[in-house]
Amino acid sequence: DIQMTQSPSTLSASIGDRVTITCRASQSISTSLAWYQQKPGKAPNLLIAKASSLQGGVPSRFSGSGSGTEFTLTISSLQPDDFATYYCQHYVSYPFTFGQGTKLEIK
Amino acid sequence: QVQLVQSGAEVKKPGASVKVSCKASGYTFTSYSIHWVRQAPGQRLEWMGWIKGGNGNTKYSQKLQGRITLTRDTSAGTVYMDLSSLRSEDTAMYYCAREIVGAGFDSWGQGTLVTVSS
Repeated sequence: DIQMTQSPSTLSASIGDRVTITCRASQSISTSLAWYQQKPGKAPNLLIAKASSLQGGVPSRFSGSGSGTEFTLTISSLQPDDFATYYCQHYVSYPFTFGQGTKLEIK
Repeated sequence: QVQLVQSGAEVKKPGASVKVSCKASGYTFTSYSIHWVRQAPGQRLEWMGWIKGGNGNTKYSQKLQGRITLTRDTSAGTVYMDLSSLRSEDTAMYYCAREIVGAGFDSWGQGTLVTVSS
């Protein structure tokens, strides 16, 4: 199975900050990577697919990059609604594993 | 709009089985696969398996192989997840999600809490 590892596990930041979350795959997954945002008590919400393709309705302050084994999710200017947990997921082969999550907290 | 609506919370005893439904609407049911993902308290999301809406083909995680069965009723636009021989470690929120091939899971159900307790 392909293992997905995110860093950091927790990130404290302020409104307006630029933040970056990293996701590493244990083997190459090309660009078969999605990023999700999850708020407490809610289902995950797809932000980015194919490593860098922003989903419709997702604010442009979110961006994704990377290929192979290393990927990043960047939020250019944090807004109050962005404080949540973020997960990466590969979908190149079964099982479609997820990272352990990065909890973004208000500093 | 695409909607996935899941059945309500369940409380089961160890060794029992649970069946959770996921009713799809707003799209052509047979054109997409539905995946199941679970999340134990404070844990990461765990992929469980998928079923193709069209031909009903399935694929399960090795960890759950032998205990999980996914079925679908195309006339009702509904997918069912059956998990048997429940143990306390199966206590989790269970989600169904629609796959866009090559682009992740774009729509999710609201989640169904399954609690396994004696």
